[in-house]
Amino acid sequence: QKEVEQNSGPLSVPEGAIASLNCTYSDRGSQSFFWYRQYSGKSPELIMSIYSNGDKEDGRFTAQLNKASQYVSLLIRDSQPSDSATYLCAVNRGTYKYIFGTGTRLKVLA
Amino acid sequence: KAGVTQTPRYLIKTRGQQVTLSCSPISGHRSVSWYQQTPGQGLQFLFEYFSETQRNKGNFPGRFSGRQFSNSRSEMNVSTLELGDSALYLCASSLGFGGARETQYFGPGTRLLVL
Repeated sequence: QKEVEQNSGPLSVPEGAIASLNCTYSDRGSQSFFWYRQYSGKSPELIMSIYSNGDKEDGRFTAQLNKASQYVSLLIRDSQPSDSATYLCAVNRGTYKYIFGTGTRLKVLA
Repeated sequence: KAGVTQTPRYLIKTRGQQVTLSCSPISGHRSVSWYQQTPGQGLQFLFEYFSETQRNKGNFPGRFSGRQFSNSRSEMNVSTLELGDSALYLCASSLGFGGARETQYFGPGTRLLVL
């Protein structure tokens, strides 16, 4: 079992729809969770971080964390073609090492 | 505040050669982590440095090494290059004091092609 798992996709959604990206992790000691966006050929860019159970909203993005079920998700409302990218989920156990999922490729269709 | 910088941005080498990549973290950040990213393997952790000391190391052969200087700038070296070393090498910086809320920020990466 991988430490951080994501569906590789591609996840295709029409413009204006809600895109839902999911991530599960295996270590119950994980303390912090991050979503990065990576455009093709570029480096990962931090979108959201979440540390407590529940929802955290930032503009069109909402991160959701459920530690009991060991999953974290990212919702993108009003999806735009510019949101088309690979979304990486990362987990930190409070140490100096981050564990990344392999990413979910999102395609927003105009 | 300037972001993480990496040099060079692109490199072409041949098998057997060695290469050195450089990373300058965000001002005030003392931790630098290195990752290798390939299409098939995703982001693979190489090592992490803090205050000139390697604190964490991933599962890479000894051909991959790194160091950090007193100004927190870091270099990684790959000796005896193999075709499979072709990848995007990413550097990420963070404050380095640990804790649940520490966040990494990535540089633009160095794309290495080994022929």
